[in-house]
Amino acid sequence: GAGVSQSPSNKVTEKGKDVELRCDPISGHTALYWYRQSLGQGLEFLIYFQGNSAPDKSGLPSDRFSAERTGGSVSTLTIQRTQQEDSAVYLCASSKRTGTGTEAFFGQGTRLTVV
Amino acid sequence: GQQLNQSPQSMFIQEGEDVSMNCTSSSIFNTWLWYKQDPGEGPVLLIALYKAGELTSNGRLTAQFGITRKDSFLNISASIPSDVGIYFCAGFTSGTYKYIFGTGTRLKVLA
Repeated sequence: GAGVSQSPSNKVTEKGKDVELRCDPISGHTALYWYRQSLGQGLEFLIYFQGNSAPDKSGLPSDRFSAERTGGSVSTLTIQRTQQEDSAVYLCASSKRTGTGTEAFFGQGTRLTVV
Repeated sequence: GQQLNQSPQSMFIQEGEDVSMNCTSSSIFNTWLWYKQDPGEGPVLLIALYKAGELTSNGRLTAQFGITRKDSFLNISASIPSDVGIYFCAGFTSGTYKYIFGTGTRLKVLA
């Protein structure tokens, strides 16, 4: 697609339920990132995928969070047994990874509210 | 998680004024990026910088990659009401392939 697409745009869930957030990166971009942005805060790194390499999961806040990327394209971020502190905007970005760094482009985000 | 120091945290300016904001880090980066985020939207890339000392413009925006590779600044000239938003810097290092973001500068322009 022309840009990074995320779905749903908004998600309200009850505490304790599982949620899945989807990211469809820009075609041809091999790198995919998930970030979390709490209200009025900056962007917190969660996880990074590059091609077929093992993902960098160092930013995942707990084992309730997991992500996968199928076929090197679409990614799903799963949060199990959601808690109120998980409420935030979850942003996905993709880039053409090069050796010296490159530009990352973001989707519009998924606003998650846990009630 | 790690965040870069960005200042000022927020600023109110009059339309037509110039604006400066900067970002500093204790680490060296290979790339500096500047983004703008409007309410309810994802960050939009404004400028990318790839070499120490590089000065790059995009319309009324000018950004520089500090020569120490630990800082960057963004200038907006002749601000207009649509410049309102939150501006984020981001540093990228090929060692970790992560983008580390600044804490953001919230800009409000008074017409």
